[in-house]
Order: sequence, then C-alpha cells, then structure tokens
Amino acid sequence: GENVEQHPSTLSVQEGDSAVIKCTYSDSASNYFPWYKQELGKRPQLIIDIRSNVGEKKDQRIAVTLNKTAKHFSLHITETQPEDSAVYFCAATPYSGGGADGLTFGKGTHLIIQP
Amino acid sequence: DAGVIQSPRHEVTEMGQEVTLRCKPISGHNSLFWYRQTMMRGLELLIYFNNNVPIDDSGMPEDRFSAKMPNASFSTLKIQPSEPRDSAVYFCASSRLQGMRETQYFGPGTRLLVL
Repeated sequence: GENVEQHPSTLSVQEGDSAVIKCTYSDSASNYFPWYKQELGKRPQLIIDIRSNVGEKKDQRIAVTLNKTAKHFSLHITETQPEDSAVYFCAATPYSGGGADGLTFGKGTHLIIQP
Repeated sequence: DAGVIQSPRHEVTEMGQEVTLRCKPISGHNSLFWYRQTMMRGLELLIYFNNNVPIDDSGMPEDRFSAKMPNASFSTLKIQPSEPRDSAVYFCASSRLQGMRETQYFGPGTRLLVL
C-alpha cells in the first residue's frame, strides 16, 4: 500500500516569511495529491490539490509542486500570516476516475507563525 | 448546503460497551470514508464505500470494528466491544466525482473516549 512521509513535523517561521512543507510517497500509481489544513479541534479542510498531469499549481499565497519522477510534492505558503498557524497534512491516492479511493495521509506539520 | 453531519460529537463510554458512530454524507455524494485520528498514528483510513458498497476495509483495526452504509444518506461505524485504545477522533468524509476532481469533505468528527 501507499506510504506518505511528511517533513518537518514542526515548522516555525516569522510572519511574512515563506513556509515549505515536503512530502514523499511510495506508490507510483498515486496520481492525486491534496493538502489539508486542520486548526485545533476542527476538521481537516482542503486548501489545494494537484494531479499528476500537472507539475505546479498556485492559489494566491499557496502553491503546490509535484515531482513524479522523484515521488515528492511540496506545499509553499508565501507571506505567512498568523491565521496560517495550523497543522497541515499532505495525502496521496491512486485516484482512477472510476470511483473514489481513500487517502493516505502524512503525519502532519505543525506550522507556527511567529509575530 | 449542509456539510457532512456526524453524531454524536462527543462520546464517553466504558470499556466493553458498544459504540455506534453515525454519518450523513453531503447530498449527492456517492463516496463515503471513515478515518480515525490519534496523536500517535495520525489520520488513518478505516474503510470507504462507493455507491453504498464497501470497497476497502483493510484499515479496520480488528473484528471489533464494523461499518455499514444501508443507503446513500447514512452510514454507521460500530465498535463492539470498545477498548481504551479505541479512543480517538473519528471523521467521516464524503466526495463526488466532478470532472476528475473528487474533493473529500470532512465532517466535524466524533471525539470518542473509552474509559
């Protein structure tokens, strides 16, 4: 089955600086890579996702890059703000289009934005 | 639109008791997922259904766990008998195929404590 490794487990950055979270996956069949943000006591919420036919995707201050050859993908947050403080999870799945597949999650990164 | 609905939101029970967690997916979604979140193991997929049919239950920890989806708008996850190590937050998520995008939307979770 799929195995997703996520680093770092904790990341502290100054407000306004950029944050980068990295993930690697093991199953070459995986082709859908979402990122979820989870605030304390809340549910995970999708912030951005990427499919394997795309190398990079951007949405305002958030971007995700994917390197299928190396089996790794990264989340980039620019101009960080206090409300970006949360736990971020990467995930992977071999989505086939014929039906859903469950997500395999990384262990999460606790992002702390220092004022 | 109502999101994924889970009940109860909190459950405290004693070891050996039966626990039933309930989930109502978003209307029109045809895939439903049960995840468990703990500090030690992170977010784990337990089981998922496509069109009410269980597809993969390999994540179910043991025979004490069972899940059903009798119709498109309701699913249950049952633990019998419960044990202290089952204490976790249980999330239900649902999704719908939409032009090759299949975002999973999470419910608020059920926080289970087994004493």
